[in-house]
Order: sequence, then structure tokens, then C-alpha cells
Amino acid sequence: KQEVTQIPAALSVPEGENLVLNCSFTDSAIYNLQWFRQDPGKGLTSLLLIQSSQREQTSGRLNASLDKSSGRSTLYIAASQPGDSATYLCAVRGYGSGNTGKLIFGQGTTLQVKP
Amino acid sequence: GAVVSQHPSRVICKSGTSVKIECRSLDFQATTMFWYRQFPKQSLMLMATSNEGSKATYEQGVEKDKFLINHASLTLSTLTVTSAHPEDSSFYICSAKTFDSYNEQFFGPGTRLTVL
Repeated sequence: KQEVTQIPAALSVPEGENLVLNCSFTDSAIYNLQWFRQDPGKGLTSLLLIQSSQREQTSGRLNASLDKSSGRSTLYIAASQPGDSATYLCAVRGYGSGNTGKLIFGQGTTLQVKP
Repeated sequence: GAVVSQHPSRVICKSGTSVKIECRSLDFQATTMFWYRQFPKQSLMLMATSNEGSKATYEQGVEKDKFLINHASLTLSTLTVTSAHPEDSSFYICSAKTFDSYNEQFFGPGTRLTVL
């Protein structure tokens, strides 16, 4: 059974700092991995999706890496801003039958960026 | 594109009543929809997967008679919480995907259910 773990559970940093969020998964047989952002009481916003054959994806100040063999992914946020404050969720999609691979989510890292 | 809406965004009901939550794909045909539940400060837990025109597949531990899912059209799925109790209070999120998109699910904004 796939399990996804995110460390740390919470993080508080001053504005401008670069930071790294960690995600690990127990079964390396994944189709892809996705990072989401969730603001309090809101739904999910997809940030980055990395296919199993890829090593990293970048979007603006965000960079996500994937090491499938070791079951790890990191989300790097450069020059953090107060607007980056949110919960960041990592999710992996395994191989499912009928083209409906399930997303298994980690517990999330709640980030606070202080002005 | 790829917008998923949920209605209502927030609902409060009395214990013992039933509540229906709608999930709509606004600009694409969703052959598969997923329902998730999220308790405070916890992650999303998949409840069930529904394919248009078929019965939903429920995850282990989810009561199918309590959480009724209907996916009668390619743009609408409903989740009905029957005989709701306070422990059913949670944040319910749906997501949708097309058949030819193994990659991406598009998530709705969520529905906050409070059972008194």
C-alpha cells in the first residue's frame, strides 16, 4: 500500500528565504507525482506535475525534483513571499486499471512566510 | 479551461438529515470523478471513484449506503450524505478527469459540511 509522507509538517520562515519541502513515498511504481497548494478552507491548486521519467519541473520560483528510485521528491521555493503562505500537498499517482490511477496524498506542509 | 465547480460551498444541517453536494465540470466532459474527504489539519482521503453511467467504486472503510454517489452525466456527479451525523462534518472535495487524460485531475473548490 502506497504511503506518502511530508516533512516538515509546518514551517515558518522570514520573507525572502529559499526553502525546501520534502515528500517521500514507499512504492516507487508511480506514474507521476504532483505538488498542490491549498489555501485555508479552499480547494487545491496544481503547482507542478512530474512524470515518472522526468527528474524535475520548474514554474517561476518553484522547482520540483523527483528521485523515483529512492522514493523522494522536493519542492524548492525561491525568494519566498508572504503570499506563498499556504499548505503544500504532495500526491503520487500509481498505475491503476481502466485509466483511473488514484492520487495518494501526503499530510501536507503548512508554510508561513513572515513579512 | 478545465474548471470544476461544487455546490453548495458551505452547508449546515441537523443530525439525521440528508445532504446533497453537486460537482460539475464546466468546460469539459468528465468521464471519471473522484470524491475526497478532508478532516481539519489532515490530508485528502479518497472516498470513491465514479465513472459516468456506472456504479461508484468505494475505498475500503467508506460506507456506500451512507455516501451515495451518482454520476449520471458527463458533467455532473452528486454525493449524498444520508442520515448525517456530527462525525460526518468535514470538507468534501471532488475532482474530475477525462478518459484520455491519465495525468491530470481537476479539483473543485470544496464543500464545507457541518452537522449539528
